[in-house]
Amino acid sequence: GQQVMQIPQYQHVQEGEDFTTYCNSSTTLSNIQWYKQRPGGHPVFLIQLVKSGEVKKQKRLTFQFGEAKKNSSLHITATQTTDVGTYFCAGPVRNAGNMLTFGGGTRLMVKP
Amino acid sequence: NAGVTQTPKFRILKIGQSMTLQCTQDMNHNYMYWYRQDPGMGLKLIYYSVGAGITDKGEVPNGYNVSRSTTEDFPLRLELAAPSQTSVYFCASSSLGNQPQHFGDGTRLSIL
Repeated sequence: GQQVMQIPQYQHVQEGEDFTTYCNSSTTLSNIQWYKQRPGGHPVFLIQLVKSGEVKKQKRLTFQFGEAKKNSSLHITATQTTDVGTYFCAGPVRNAGNMLTFGGGTRLMVKP
Repeated sequence: NAGVTQTPKFRILKIGQSMTLQCTQDMNHNYMYWYRQDPGMGLKLIYYSVGAGITDKGEVPNGYNVSRSTTEDFPLRLELAAPSQTSVYFCASSSLGNQPQHFGDGTRLSIL
């Protein structure tokens, strides 16, 4: 079964509203990575978090890694139409040979 | 710097035909991966390789074969194409299994 879970699966927001997607693992992760896939495109690596409780920012995007290193979140402030796409989290899962396992993704749609 | 290059970008096959999807990377990465992504869905790992001469099955290997004779190349073979294999196929590479992956642009494959 899926070892890295993401919620929600879909999110519609009005342009200017905030957006958050959550990522949960049943096991401790050595790191968590976030990717963005634009419609019709390929996943593109955004960021990697390694430390417990780590918070990183990229302009309007804020990434957090939980204290227990089992969950993470991506928050977008004041969404823009350029934020449209699917956001995937991924983490190395120990009982999958420490290979990167992707969550199911959260598809963000922004109404102008 | 080309990164990960996939060919072809699009292909239509008839049921029962075979084809090879090509993937090459110029980053000297040991790890390479093949994923399939069905419309509106997440990434499913088909096969992966941790180095030249070494390959292993992922989550959905049935109907596919791979080889890794060089560090750069990781072709994916479909022997008897079936409609269920209609999907977008992504090749990716990374330096290590738990490190960020670099994706190619994908191959959009339709089997009719």
